[in-house]
Amino acid sequence: DTGVSQDPRHKITKRGQNVTFRCDPISEHNRLYWYRQTLGQGPEFLTYFQNEAQLEKSRLLSDRFSAERPKGSFSTLEIQRTEQGDSAMYLCASSHIRLAGPALFSEQYFGPGTRLTVT
Amino acid sequence: AQSVTQLDSQVPVFEEAPVELRCNYSSSVSVYLFWYVQYPNQGLQLLLKYLSGSTLVKGINGFEAEFNKSQTSFHLRKPSVHISDTAEYFCAVSGKLQGAQKLVFGQGTRLTINP
Repeated sequence: DTGVSQDPRHKITKRGQNVTFRCDPISEHNRLYWYRQTLGQGPEFLTYFQNEAQLEKSRLLSDRFSAERPKGSFSTLEIQRTEQGDSAMYLCASSHIRLAGPALFSEQYFGPGTRLTVT
Repeated sequence: AQSVTQLDSQVPVFEEAPVELRCNYSSSVSVYLFWYVQYPNQGLQLLLKYLSGSTLVKGINGFEAEFNKSQTSFHLRKPSVHISDTAEYFCAVSGKLQGAQKLVFGQGTRLTINP
C-alpha cells in the first residue's frame, strides 16, 4: 500500500497528557497538510508543509499544538496538555504541487486519520 | 477567503433512485472545486474535481457534478444509487492562485440508501 498512512489510528488519553501523531505521506509528495474533523463537521485546515518548511498555520492551531516535518518526509503533530475540546479526528493529506494551466494545483490524498479521545 | 455551504445535512433515498447533493460556495478568487466521500471510520476519498474547462465533471462510482459559475454551485449527482453509496459526502474548494491551496470543506451531507 503506497497511500498516506497515519499512526496511531486511535488514541485515548487523559486530560492534561501530551500526545503525538505521525503521518507518512505518499513517497515524493512535497506537500503535507494537517486537518481536524470534529463530529458532524467537515475537516478544518490546521497547517501545511512544503518539503520541510511549515508555510501556514491556522488560528485553530493554539500554542499547545506543534507540527514538524524534519526531513521533508514524515510529519508529527504534537498536542501538549490535552483538553476535552481536542477530541477529534486528525487527518493528514499529501500532494505534489504541479502546474494546471496558468495556476498551480495539488490534489490532496488523505490518510485514514487518527481519532483522539480526551477523557 | 472561501466558504462552502452544503444545503442538506441528510439525504435519504431508495436504492436505484437518482440523487442530487447540493453545494454552494463563496469566494473572492477563482477556485478549484471538489467532492470527497468518507466511509465510516475512514479518511476522505476524492470523487471528482473541477479545475477548468467543461463544466460537467465525471468522477468515480458513477458520480458527476456540474459547475455553475453564475450560481456559485457545484451539485453532485448520480442517476441510480446503490446501497454501497451510503456515506458522508463533502464539497470543498481551494483558491486557484493561493499558495497553500488548503481545502475549505462544507459541513457534509449524509447519504442514506434504503432498500
